[in-house]
Amino acid sequence: GNSVTQMEGPVTLSEEAFLTINCTYTATGYPSLFWYVQYPGEGLQLLLKATKADDKGSNKGFEATYRKETTSFHLEKGSVQVSDSAVYFCALYPGSGDQGAQKLVFGQGTRLTINP
Amino acid sequence: DGGITQSPKYLFRKEGQNVTLSCEQNLNHDAMYWYRQDPGQGLRLIYYSQIVNDFQKGDIAEGYSVSREKKESFPLTVTSAQKNPTAFYLCASKEQGLFETQYFGPGTRLLVL
Repeated sequence: GNSVTQMEGPVTLSEEAFLTINCTYTATGYPSLFWYVQYPGEGLQLLLKATKADDKGSNKGFEATYRKETTSFHLEKGSVQVSDSAVYFCALYPGSGDQGAQKLVFGQGTRLTINP
Repeated sequence: DGGITQSPKYLFRKEGQNVTLSCEQNLNHDAMYWYRQDPGQGLRLIYYSQIVNDFQKGDIAEGYSVSREKKESFPLTVTSAQKNPTAFYLCASKEQGLFETQYFGPGTRLLVL
């Protein structure tokens, strides 16, 4: 089946530290991959996405590269800020041949806290 | 401003009561979704609709019902059959077509009295 596994949280870093949140997936066909961010008490916002192998998604200093050979889509940021504190979700759409092609599959989320 | 609105922000349910959560979008999206989020967990799909007057069960549809009479509206009813309804409920929508981005509303927190 289709699944997404994220690194366990919570993750606590100091301001200006380097961030990596690991995400690996299992999927049929060629999935599209997403990172969403959720601030406290709010809905999810799209952070970045990649639709084919070797694509790099980027936004607000965050980056993630679609690695088909390692089935991974790790989120990185070179220098985090206090305002980056949130919960981050990795998600995928299965490949087009899958009946669930219209349904996103989410990881469990990783809570990130940045201390000043 | 285009977007997705959910109301109310907080909702309280008494035992044995049905409650309805509202979701409206003015993005002209064809597909709409309802998710449930429990603390420390990912999102689980309750129901989704790809077109007006049609909807499908997601992974945890028991105890919930929906309707899709208008393109812009996709209300979710939490029935008395849902024994553990306390959660954060999120509505989303997207354009028709494979791999289109889903956009989320601000959510409704449902609490049981």
